[in-house]
Amino acid sequence: QQQVKQSPQSLIVQKGGISIINCAYENTAFDYFPWYQQFPGKGPALLIAIRPDVSEKKEGRFTISFNKSAKQFSLHIMDSQPGDSATYFCAASMVPSNTGNQFYFGTGTSLTVIP
Amino acid sequence: DAGVIQSPRHEVTEMGQEVTLRCKPISGHNSLFWYRQTMMRGLELLIYFNNNVPIDDSGMPEDRFSAKMPNASFSTLKIQPSEPRDSAVYFCASSLSGVLRHSNQPQHFGDGTRLSIL
Repeated sequence: QQQVKQSPQSLIVQKGGISIINCAYENTAFDYFPWYQQFPGKGPALLIAIRPDVSEKKEGRFTISFNKSAKQFSLHIMDSQPGDSATYFCAASMVPSNTGNQFYFGTGTSLTVIP
Repeated sequence: DAGVIQSPRHEVTEMGQEVTLRCKPISGHNSLFWYRQTMMRGLELLIYFNNNVPIDDSGMPEDRFSAKMPNASFSTLKIQPSEPRDSAVYFCASSLSGVLRHSNQPQHFGDGTRLSIL
């Protein structure tokens, strides 16, 4: 059972446009929501993360919007650039125990930014 | 700072052969994760270790897969015997977790091993 549902599967955006990727979850015990960016031939790399005590976090052109009541969070990429073309994964995890914890990843969104 | 180091980067072998993938986590990290990535199934967690102890191996597909972490700086994922359906990219990730209660820390991924079983 997919713990985190991600959409869309693929996205094509014009340069300068806004890219929006959405994720939804059911487990209210999740308390950490990172987004990862993956380029071909590379491993996923942390892009930005949010905790549920805030509704928005912004780092440069990247913003996470978090809706706790709806159990949804989204990644917004402002002024999208061709260099942003990559696969994006959302994830969620619970408060760690003293043995750590795992991340639950979405299925990924392939973003293509057209010049 | 050195990130997570995986070897080999690419492995091509014939069905039935033993395959060993290696991972060196970031120094000081105490959790290590093995993932498999395919187009069909996305990123799947196979197993994770905390302080060198396997915590959850429910994602290991079958008895042909085994993982070890003999010390804090090294882990292996072994497939014996290998099959064509094992072809995928295998990632290792590490994090510092469970040390500070109620504080999640990000996972840091290596660049993966692309495995092809002929």
